[in-house]
Order: sequence, then C-alpha cells, then structure tokens
Amino acid sequence: DTAVSQTPKYLVTQMGNDKSIKCEQNLGHDTMYWYKQDSKKFLKIMFSYNNKELIINETVPNRFSPKSPDKAHLNLHINSLELGDSAVYFCASSQVGRKETQYFGPGTRLLVL
Amino acid sequence: AQKVTQAQTEISVVEKEDVTLDCVYETRDTTYYLFWYKQPPSGELVFLIRRNSFDEQNEISGRYSWNFQKSTSSFNFTITASQVVDSAVYFCALRSPMEYGNKLVFGAGTILRVKS
Repeated sequence: DTAVSQTPKYLVTQMGNDKSIKCEQNLGHDTMYWYKQDSKKFLKIMFSYNNKELIINETVPNRFSPKSPDKAHLNLHINSLELGDSAVYFCASSQVGRKETQYFGPGTRLLVL
Repeated sequence: AQKVTQAQTEISVVEKEDVTLDCVYETRDTTYYLFWYKQPPSGELVFLIRRNSFDEQNEISGRYSWNFQKSTSSFNFTITASQVVDSAVYFCALRSPMEYGNKLVFGAGTILRVKS
C-alpha cells in the first residue's frame, strides 16, 4: 500500500548508457513531479505533469525525457548518461488545490561510472 | 525572486535539548505555502507540515512546533526534548503558485545530529 513508489531503488551504470526510472502513485493525485538531489543534498525540480500534460520543464538537458502514460505514472528516461547525472532522483505527487502537499517516493540513487 | 534560506548548515545537540531550525523565505506572492520535510539517514523525504500564508497560527504536534512570522518572512521549526531518532536533514520549502506554478523551492537543508 505504498503511496508513491519508484523502481529501481539503486541504479549503477556506465557512461553513455540509456536508463529509465519508473514512478507510480496510488493516491489518486492529478500531478506528478521529478526532483533531483545532488551530492550536496540540494533538491531541485526537473519536471511536472498535470493530468498527463507537461506543465513544468526546468532547465534540464534534452537527454532527460519524462513520459506520463496516465495520471498514476511518470517515468524518467535518460539518454547518454554522464558522470554528472549521478544523483538521487525523487518522484512526487500531489492533488492541485488549496491543501496541496507533495508526497515523495523513496528515491532512486543513480551512479554513473 | 523566489528563495528559501536555511542558514544553519549543521546543528549538533545532546539528547533532550531543544533545538530550533531556521527558515527564511522570499516571494512576491501574497498567497504562498511553506513546508518542512525530514530526510532521515535512510534517504526518504517525509512531509512534516504545510502552512498557508494566510494562516499565521503557530502549530504544535507532539515535540514539534512551528513558528510562522510573516513580518520577518520566517518559518522556524523547533524540536523539544530532542531524541536520537530526530537526527536527519530537515528541509524548508516554498510554493508560490501564481509566480512559479506548483513546484517546491527547497532550502539547502539543515543537518541535525542528536547525540545520546
């Protein structure tokens, strides 16, 4: 009965590879997000989808492409991985409204070698 | 500009001490929302509290309390009688829907170490 889940939890890969991270929420929320946490613990928004429509796209390299097949899923595909992509990636979800609160998944720790 | 400042990088206390984590924010919006999240050593981000800009009432939840002061743009978090399990990174965050949509802008975080 996990609210926001991500797979995989850990991802170790070589430079140049392509990888995907999956996110699912069972809270019935209409908005999902991807955040990146760097080695200094700084958290920054990457993307946001509302009802499968992209609404936030921060300055992120084109190698990162989010895909939302439905309201409950938001996947992140990364092409041509670079060393600097090593980070923890968090998925989150929320229901737009006055009491909106973002709930986060457990994070995916990506290490690019 | 939207900005969240957590000036304390790291705080160390001994168990049972009270500790206050500071958060100062900047926004041009009149309606905005402030949050605190906890990130324990296991790595997940745990929601603690949301405060709306139009509600300045302070809140207490067990050993946790929050002091929201619009006049000083601060939203400080106090843990009373700290415990080792409180050791974590604590993040303050801001959401300003009119200016920046629904994204959360996070402070840099404060590492809290509680020693037994």
